[in-house]
Amino acid sequence: QAQLQESGPGLVKPSQTLSLTCTVSGDSISSGSYYWTWIRQPAGKGLEWIGRVYSSGSANYNPSLKSRVTISVDTSKNQFSLKLSSVTAADTAVYYCARDYFEKFDSWGQGTLVAVSS
Amino acid sequence: QSALAQPASVSGSPGQSITISCTGTSDDVGLYNYVAWYQQHPGKAPKLIIYDVSDRPSGISNRFSGSKSGDTASLTISGLQAEDEAEYYCSSYTGTYTFVFGTGTKVTVL
Repeated sequence: QAQLQESGPGLVKPSQTLSLTCTVSGDSISSGSYYWTWIRQPAGKGLEWIGRVYSSGSANYNPSLKSRVTISVDTSKNQFSLKLSSVTAADTAVYYCARDYFEKFDSWGQGTLVAVSS
Repeated sequence: QSALAQPASVSGSPGQSITISCTGTSDDVGLYNYVAWYQQHPGKAPKLIIYDVSDRPSGISNRFSGSKSGDTASLTISGLQAEDEAEYYCSSYTGTYTFVFGTGTKVTVL
């Protein structure tokens, strides 16, 4: 079973870019067997799928966030990353990275809280 | 892309069975058998408990079962136990290389 670990700043200022990295162990991103996904959850609210990336770098995004999101992969480091631009308080959430195996999220990171505040 | 509709809360006594519904549209739940269910305890990451409508990952109790009829998927928990108290989310592939989650259901064991 893959282990995933999110990392990045816990505080981002409004209008700036949120950047997170997910480090994968126990599996190889370059194996090509999975998509690698970001999901978020505001406090006390539900889950929201942000997007996913394949080992080739091909990505798919939530239409509601597409204009602000970039998900990329670094196979040499076995990592994938999330960038969300022009953040507001509404982007404050716990951000999870997860492995997508045939349209199911079967391994998850523990999540990292990102607050947007000046 | 609207969230799939789930009841906000469902409760039951130990040993009872409960069912959680997940209603989408003919473009997601109704069209694809890529419906999954996740269990989330407070402060923890979600955990996959059902995938492809009715399959269980290895290690998941057979007290959890899934089904689908039309645009609505369902999760049934039989023999309810105290440890089943958690938030439950459904998800569906939408066909445009995207996914949508349900609104979430809090299960309370009375």
